[in-house]
Amino acid sequence: DIQMTQSPSSLSASVGDRVTITCRASQGISNYLAWFQQKPGKAPKSLIYAASSLQSGVPSKFSGSGSGTDFTLTISSLQPEDLATYYCQQYKSYPLTFGGGTKVEIK
Amino acid sequence: QLQLQESGPGLVKPSETLSLTCTVSGGSISSSSYYWAWIRQPPGKGLEWIGIIYYGGTTYYNPSLKSRVTISVDTSKNQFSLKVTSVTAADTAVYYCARRLLAAAPPGHWYFDLWGRGTLVTVSS
Repeated sequence: DIQMTQSPSSLSASVGDRVTITCRASQGISNYLAWFQQKPGKAPKSLIYAASSLQSGVPSKFSGSGSGTDFTLTISSLQPEDLATYYCQQYKSYPLTFGGGTKVEIK
Repeated sequence: QLQLQESGPGLVKPSETLSLTCTVSGGSISSSSYYWAWIRQPPGKGLEWIGIIYYGGTTYYNPSLKSRVTISVDTSKNQFSLKVTSVTAADTAVYYCARRLLAAAPPGHWYFDLWGRGTLVTVSS
């Protein structure tokens, strides 16, 4: 199985800050990586696929990068509505696996 | 717009079978560009992929659950279903159904683009 490790597990940032979340795969997955946002009490929402392709309707303040084993999700200017837990997920091979999540809080 | 809705009992007794259905509305389940998946999330924890099915019936399961899980599809009802046998408290979770879409570009990228709202299943006597 491909293990996905996210860091940090939580972070606190101010409105307007640039926030970066890291995801590392235990083996190379090319760019078969997706990012999701899960707000409290809600279902996950697709943000990014193919490591850097923005899902339709997602604000351009979200961006993704990386290939191989190391990936990042960046929020260019944090807003109160971005309070959520963010998950990465690899879809290079079965079983499909998720990272443990990064909880983003607003200072 | 296509929507997914999970349904089924919210309480299941230990050792019994958990059964859930996902109804697809606003579109057809029988498309070559989709897979249909079940994913769960124990309270306060992360996401775990359970398994996936293609409209033709091809399935893939998480090896950690494979011996207890069956996913099936009913194209006439535009539904797909999940059964988990011999449940324990560890199976208590919010269960989500989701669509795995073949992206228009880049080629070969199948990703989860749409999720149901989820349904909480508690395993308790």
